[in-house]
Amino acid sequence: DGGITQSPKYLFRKEGQNVTLSCEQNLNHDAMYWYRQDPGQGLRLIYYSQIVNDFQKGDIAEGYSVSREKKESFPLTVTSAQKNPTAFYLCASSRTATGEYGYTFGSGTRLTVV
Amino acid sequence: SQKIEQNSEALNIQEGKTATLTCNYTNYSPAYLQWYRQDPGRGPVFLLLIRENEKEKRKERLKVTFDTTLKQSLFHITASQPADSATYLCALEGGGFKTIFGAGTRLFVKA
Repeated sequence: DGGITQSPKYLFRKEGQNVTLSCEQNLNHDAMYWYRQDPGQGLRLIYYSQIVNDFQKGDIAEGYSVSREKKESFPLTVTSAQKNPTAFYLCASSRTATGEYGYTFGSGTRLTVV
Repeated sequence: SQKIEQNSEALNIQEGKTATLTCNYTNYSPAYLQWYRQDPGRGPVFLLLIRENEKEKRKERLKVTFDTTLKQSLFHITASQPADSATYLCALEGGGFKTIFGAGTRLFVKA
């Protein structure tokens, strides 16, 4: 079955540490996205990529970095510069860059600072 | 900037009744609007998309309406079941390849 795989499901980060969240899709979708979800808030866009080797900042990119070396993969690194990283992180993909056919989401990674 | 509002209070209904969830938006005229279902600890699942030139769309027990004058979408689940209990997210096309998501409304269906 086609879909998006995020790993790990739970991740704990120490102060000052960089961590990388994995996102892999086998849907052959061109566009991929990273969202952050906090309680009581809508999903907020961190980064998005419309095509391999290209990506753009979303609304809350500070303290995060991404790469898109392969169509299937869009890893997110949460750097030590992100002061409040505890959240639920969701990776998504869509058939088109506009998302007009809907988004497919992964199961999410819950990141906690310890 | 675009704003999207969903009722933050949970909706509690009895099994078999119709659940109606509301999504209001301001400061924009989206080309389309989407609805998603999200279960606790899981990613959202796409349910329906309705375009600005469509008044209503149906899929099995689901119905979505889109009133561009009122800037509102209504999401209906008919003959609701306990398995329909989840958080439902509204999302609108925000221009420039961006989609704006609401915070969602939690639905509880009691047997």
